[in-house]
Amino acid sequence: AQSVTQPDIHITVSEGASLELRCNYSYGATPYLFWYVQSPGQGLQLLLKYFSGDTLVQGIKGFEAEFKRSQSSFNLRKPSVHWSDAAEYFCAVAQSRAAGNKLTFGGGTRVLVKP
Amino acid sequence: SQTIHQWPATLVQPVGSPLSLECTVEGTSNPNLYWYRQAAGRGLQLLFYSVGIGQISSEVPQNLSASRPQDRQFILSSKKLLLSDSGFYLCACRLGTGAYEQYFGPGTRLTVT
Repeated sequence: AQSVTQPDIHITVSEGASLELRCNYSYGATPYLFWYVQSPGQGLQLLLKYFSGDTLVQGIKGFEAEFKRSQSSFNLRKPSVHWSDAAEYFCAVAQSRAAGNKLTFGGGTRVLVKP
Repeated sequence: SQTIHQWPATLVQPVGSPLSLECTVEGTSNPNLYWYRQAAGRGLQLLFYSVGIGQISSEVPQNLSASRPQDRQFILSSKKLLLSDSGFYLCACRLGTGAYEQYFGPGTRLTVT
C-alpha cells in the first residue's frame, strides 16, 4: 500500500530565509504527487503537482518541488519565505489504480515564520 | 474553474443530535466527491467518496453516512452525534478523467458538546 511520510512535524524559519519541506512516498508505480497548503481554519489549496516530465515543478506563491525517483522524495522549497507562508503543508500521492482515485496524504508539516 | 461550497461554516451541536453538512460544486460535471475529517492537531482522514449519483464508498466505519442526491451535491449526515465527531470537515472534488488532483472547499468546523 502506498504511504506518504513528512518527517518534520514543525519547522520554524525566519522571514526571508529559505524553506525546504521533506516528503517521502512509497508507491509501486509512477507516482502522481502534490503539495497542498492549509492556513488555519481554511481548506487546502493546491500549490503544485507532478505527473511526469521535468522533475522540477513550479507552483504558486513562489514554491517549487523536485521529484527524485531514486530517493522516493518530493521535497518542497521556497527561496525566501514571507510571514504569510506560515501554514500547514501536506504532501500527497494519488492512488491512480485504486477505485475513486483517492489521495494518500502525509501527516503535514506546520511552518512557523519568525519576524 | 470549479468552486466548492460548504454549509454551514461552523456548527455547535449537542451529543446525540443529528447532523447534516452540505457540499455543492460549481463549474464542473460528474466530479468525484470526497469527505475528509481533520481532528484537532491531526492530518486528513478520508471518510467517504463518490464517483457518481447515489454511489457512496465508505472508508472508515462509524456513525456517519454520506449521500449524493445530485451530481454536484454531497451530504454528510449522522443520526446521533458523538463527542468524537468533533472536527473540521472538508469536502473535495476531482475533475473528470485524466486529472488526479483534488480541490477543497472551505470546510465546516463541527463542535459536539
